Amino acid sequence: AQSVTQLDSQVPVFEEAPVELRCNYSSSVSVYLFWYVQYPNQGLQLLLKYLSGSTLVKGINGFEAEFNKSQTSFHLRKPSVHISDTAEYFCAVTPLGGADGLTFGKGTHLIIQP
Amino acid sequence: GAVVSQHPSWVICKSGTSVKIECRSLDFQATTMFWYRQFPKQSLMLMATSNEGSKATYEQGVEKDKFLINHASLTLSTLTVTSAHPEDSSFYICSAKASGQGASEQYFGPGTRLTVT
Repeated sequence: AQSVTQLDSQVPVFEEAPVELRCNYSSSVSVYLFWYVQYPNQGLQLLLKYLSGSTLVKGINGFEAEFNKSQTSFHLRKPSVHISDTAEYFCAVTPLGGADGLTFGKGTHLIIQP
Repeated sequence: GAVVSQHPSWVICKSGTSVKIECRSLDFQATTMFWYRQFPKQSLMLMATSNEGSKATYEQGVEKDKFLINHASLTLSTLTVTSAHPEDSSFYICSAKASGQGASEQYFGPGTRLTVT
């Protein structure tokens, strides 16, 4: 079984400042890792994913994440945030092979302050 | 590409009635679809995995007789909430995995908000 921990339920950041959203996971098997964004009353949009290869993954909207196997982390970063980045962000994992559903963290609400 | 739709987007029903939610992959074939449930301000919890032409696999704690899942074609899966009660009120989200895709990416629908009165 897998579990995902997002340490911060809410992160307030000033506009144009950098941000890091933390994600740690636990799994007895190797996993794929994902970050999704959810805007109010909408479904999920994939920001980025790590499957294999380079541990630094770049996604949409200027986001990137780094997979750290020894620390079992997959933190999401953006060098300069915008008001439009205000949303809920979910980290998720699934075992290699992709036949299983995703295990999600509890989410981090990113609040951008002007 | 890779668009998943859900219908209805929101529904209100009376306690004791049944509600059917449809999940469609519009521009690809999906051998596997997943159903998730999200309570207000909480994360998504996997309810079941639906494979085309076979019975769904339910996660522990999910009542298969209450949440009926049918995946009759490569583009459609349905979730029926039977004898709904107020505690079933939630946001239900489906996702679809394209046939033959080895990379495990799931495409999510926009969700269906169910309110049971």
